[in-house]
Order: sequence, then C-alpha cells, then structure tokens
Amino acid sequence: NAGVMQNPRHLVRRRGQEARLRCSPMKGHSHVYWYRQLPEEGLKFMVYLQKENIIDESGMPKERFSAEFPKEGPSILRIQQVVRGDSAAYFCASSPARGGGPEETQYFGPGTRLLVL
Amino acid sequence: AQRVTQPEKLLSVFKGAPVELKCNYSYSGSPELFWYVQYSRQRLQLLLRHISRESIKGFTADLNKGETSFHLKKPFAQEEDSAMYYCARSSGNTGKLIFGQGTTLQVKP
Repeated sequence: NAGVMQNPRHLVRRRGQEARLRCSPMKGHSHVYWYRQLPEEGLKFMVYLQKENIIDESGMPKERFSAEFPKEGPSILRIQQVVRGDSAAYFCASSPARGGGPEETQYFGPGTRLLVL
Repeated sequence: AQRVTQPEKLLSVFKGAPVELKCNYSYSGSPELFWYVQYSRQRLQLLLRHISRESIKGFTADLNKGETSFHLKKPFAQEEDSAMYYCARSSGNTGKLIFGQGTTLQVKP
C-alpha cells in the first residue's frame, strides 16, 4: 500500500490563477480530510469528505475554495483566484472510517506546498 | 471554541535527558487526544493516542482531565527523537482533528 499520495508536491501560482491540489487516499479508505498549515502555525482543518459527499466544510473559507471527492479518482481541493495569503502547505489525510476511534487513524500525505507569487 | 495549546515552539535537550512536551486542551466533554510526529523529510504520522494507553518508542502520555493536559514524556531522549511533535484532539462526530501549534524537539548529542 503506497500510502496517501498528494500531487503536486510543490505548486507555484501567480495571483489570480487557479490551484488544483490532488489527494489519492490509501486503498480501501473512503474518508478524506484536508488541512492547511500556514507558516509558523499548526495544521487547521478545512473539509471532510466521503465518496461523492461533503460531510463537514466548517473550516473552508467561504469564497474561492471548493473540494470534491468523486466516485472515481482522487479528491481535489480547488482554489480559485489565488492570493498571497493562500501560500501554505495543504495536507490530506485518509481513514477507513470516520476518523477518531482506535480503528480510524488518519493517515497523512506528504502535503502540497503552494506558493503564490 | 475547542483549542489545543502547545506552549513551547522549541525544546532542546541533551541525549539521555528526560523530555516532556506540554499540551493543554480546552475542556469539552470526553476528548480523544493524540500525539503526531513529523520527522525530517517525512510525513506526519500518529505516535500515540490516549485511548490506547500504550508506549511507543519509549514515549507515554497521560490524560489529566483535572488539568486538561496531555503531556508527552520520555525518560531518556535519543537523537533520533528529534522531530516536530503535534498534539491534537478529535472534534465532534466527524473525527476532524484540532492541532496545536507544534513543538520542535531537538536532542543534542
């Protein structure tokens, strides 16, 4: 099992462009979490998805950010019209079930470092 | 709002010395608490969770509800313990994690 995959690992965008971050969960995992880590800060929850459903998006900025987890393919975090403040590391985690319990450990990907120029 | 606080950004100790990484959480029901570790150039991984009450790599953490703390301890630090450590709690019934700011542990030879 290759673990949670994220690509690209590094992404550079100019202000106003779109950023698409991909996350392939571990095999057999149907739950995906996205977290953002701003410089000098801890990870902050953004959104929790199951296949084809957004379960909790309480941490997502109200505008420009969206996420999906289609029936086939990776989960996508999309940031439209990026601004400098979006520069951060974006981490994805997957779990076989709703995370938190003993059998529901969240496994993290290596992250995507987004730099907005 | 639920919070997790790690008061130290950096903790530097010598090899063989005891280590305690502090973590406090805001009280809310029965929290599930975790310690995650990120070694250099590796991804974030679970170190231990309070519900398991186990020791991993010599580390232990006890949940103290009276002090709302979940400090991570190891009696004798090793150089390979040098890493970034994050305390986290599970929030709500979705399992989303609330992280502290992280503490860098530096173990000097």
